[in-house]
Amino acid sequence: QSALTQPASVSGSPGQSITISCTGTSSDVGSYNFVSWYQQHPGKAPKLMIYEGSKRPSGVSDRFSGSKSGNTATLTISGLQAEDEADYHCCSYAGTSTYVFGTGTKVTVL
Amino acid sequence: EVQLVESGGGLVQPGGSLRLSCVASGFSFNNYYMTWVRQAPEKGLEWVANIKKDGSEKYYVDSVKGRFTISRDNAKNSVYLQMNSLRAEDTAVYYCTTDRGYKCEYWGQGTLVTVSS
Repeated sequence: QSALTQPASVSGSPGQSITISCTGTSSDVGSYNFVSWYQQHPGKAPKLMIYEGSKRPSGVSDRFSGSKSGNTATLTISGLQAEDEADYHCCSYAGTSTYVFGTGTKVTVL
Repeated sequence: EVQLVESGGGLVQPGGSLRLSCVASGFSFNNYYMTWVRQAPEKGLEWVANIKKDGSEKYYVDSVKGRFTISRDNAKNSVYLQMNSLRAEDTAVYYCTTDRGYKCEYWGQGTLVTVSS
């Protein structure tokens, strides 16, 4: 049950695209297509942005997309906007109804 | 409108106990697994425990096994987290969240638990 590894911080200018990686193991990310991503603004509860690796809930901008290769999942934010500045957390199913979150990434819009 | 409202947090001494509650509304509570997630100060999220729709199965992160107990009362649309033998490292904001389809779709606002002497 070790946390998934994310970069501590990622930054980009408005309009640019950024990617956030989420590296796990063959016991979690690598074994299941059940990676989700959450956006969290300071002092607020997390918000679901991506589930099942690449699906977006209703109401989430299509500027957010997800993918996976091997033991690493990736969140891409296209057309970066000031409102995207927040913390982002990945989460993977790890079997037997358990889950593991990532270490979290702070996104800064320059 | 979906709402999850946590309560029960506070300051407790090491070795003490606390019981968190989460009341749900706006969705069919008994059709969802329910999960507790915590976030230590300036840290990432940590999955803590979840409970099956009918309460028959419960799962925990290793660090809380034997100390925390998750339960639910579907008649009251509520989920609980009984926390015993609390340690400083349990200090965190505790969130109640729904768990269906391998995602945490709805979240409460969180309740702060501080373990300190």
